[in-house]
Formats: sequence, C-alpha cells, structure tokens
Amino acid sequence: KAGVTQTPRYLIKTRGQQVTLSCSPISGHRSVSWYQQTPGQGLQFLFEYFSETQRNKGNFPGRFSGRQFSNSRSEMNVSTLELGDSALYLCASSFLWTSAYNEQFFGPGTRLTVL
Amino acid sequence: GDSVTQMEGPVTLSEEAFLTINCTYTATGYPSLFWYVQYPGEGLQLLLKATKADDKGSNKGFEATYRKETTSFHLEKGSVQVSDSAVYFCALSPNTGTASKLTFGTGTRLQVTL
Repeated sequence: KAGVTQTPRYLIKTRGQQVTLSCSPISGHRSVSWYQQTPGQGLQFLFEYFSETQRNKGNFPGRFSGRQFSNSRSEMNVSTLELGDSALYLCASSFLWTSAYNEQFFGPGTRLTVL
Repeated sequence: GDSVTQMEGPVTLSEEAFLTINCTYTATGYPSLFWYVQYPGEGLQLLLKATKADDKGSNKGFEATYRKETTSFHLEKGSVQVSDSAVYFCALSPNTGTASKLTFGTGTRLQVTL
C-alpha cells in the first residue's frame, strides 16, 4: 500500500508570493491533517480535513488555508509569504477522524524556503 | 493549554547502552500519549502509544508507561542500536472532538555510536 505522498518535496519562494502544497493520503483514508515544523516552534498543528470539511484548526493566521477534494487529496495554501513561513510542512492521513484509536500516517513533508 | 516538555538533546550513547528520554505533559482531562520517531529526511512514524493511565506502550524494544500521578511518559530502551539514531517526539492528543490536534514536544535527537 502506498504511503502518504506530498508534492513538491522542495520549494523556494520569495516574500509576498503564495504557494500551494499538495498531499495524497493513503488509499481509503478520509482524514488529512497538516503540521508545520520549524526549529524554533517545533511541530505545530495547522488544520484537519475530513470528508471535505475542516474539522479542526490550529492557531495560524488566515494566510494559511486548506481544502480537501472528494478523493481525499488535500492542498494547503499560504498567501503573502513571510520569511518565518520557511518550514517543513507535514501532512498526515488517517482512516477516520484522527484520534488515539485511528493512527496518523505522516508523509515525508514539503520543505519550503522563503527568501 | 496543553503542552509537552521533553529533555533537551542531543543524547549521545554507545551501542547497547540503556536509553531514557524524559517526557512530561500538561493537559486537561485524560489525553492519549504518543512517541513518534523521525529519521533523517523522512516524516514522522508512530513508535508507540498509550491511551489511559498505567497503560504501557511498546514497540521494537522501546517502552513507555503512562503515569498520570507524575504526568509523565518516559521512553526507554534496554539496548540501543546505531539504527535507532533519530529524533524522538513525545506528543499528546485530547480524547475529545479535537483529538486530531496533536501537541508535540520539541524533540530529542538521539545519536548512537559504535
């Protein structure tokens, strides 16, 4: 069974631009969560989508948004990029809504660098 | 709010040494607790979990016991291998509707040498 895939793996953008990252969950998984990983702040939850609906959202500004398609693939978008948005963005999928009883499987991440 | 505190790394051990990585948490209610591992260039992998007090999670020789009285979930392994070199994250999730909102510790880098 293929794992969680994320594209692109690496991305370089400049301040003020916007970016879209893509995540394809494991086949059959309906929940997708996004996390930001930085050296300073560590791993922080961005949002979770289940059946095309946002279920939970972390404490990030409105520049960070996401969506989920009917095939469970998800995209996240960051508008008006700032230097501090440079991070590894991790996507995780789960069969049902994520909980202690439904394990999250993480993808390898997209490394975003903002210049 | 919820928080997880892990011991600072890096932790450097010789092969076959005993490993302990401390983790304590602050949370309301009765969270579930996890240890994740991240190998270089990869995403996170679930190592083990415990969903209630006194539960012991175990996998690949690693163990951790959910101690509610000390709000701790320390990771242990009796004999580490070079292949265990990675970053280890302690995490919790509330057993509520926001269960997807994993709260992670800062991670502890483990380096095992021959």
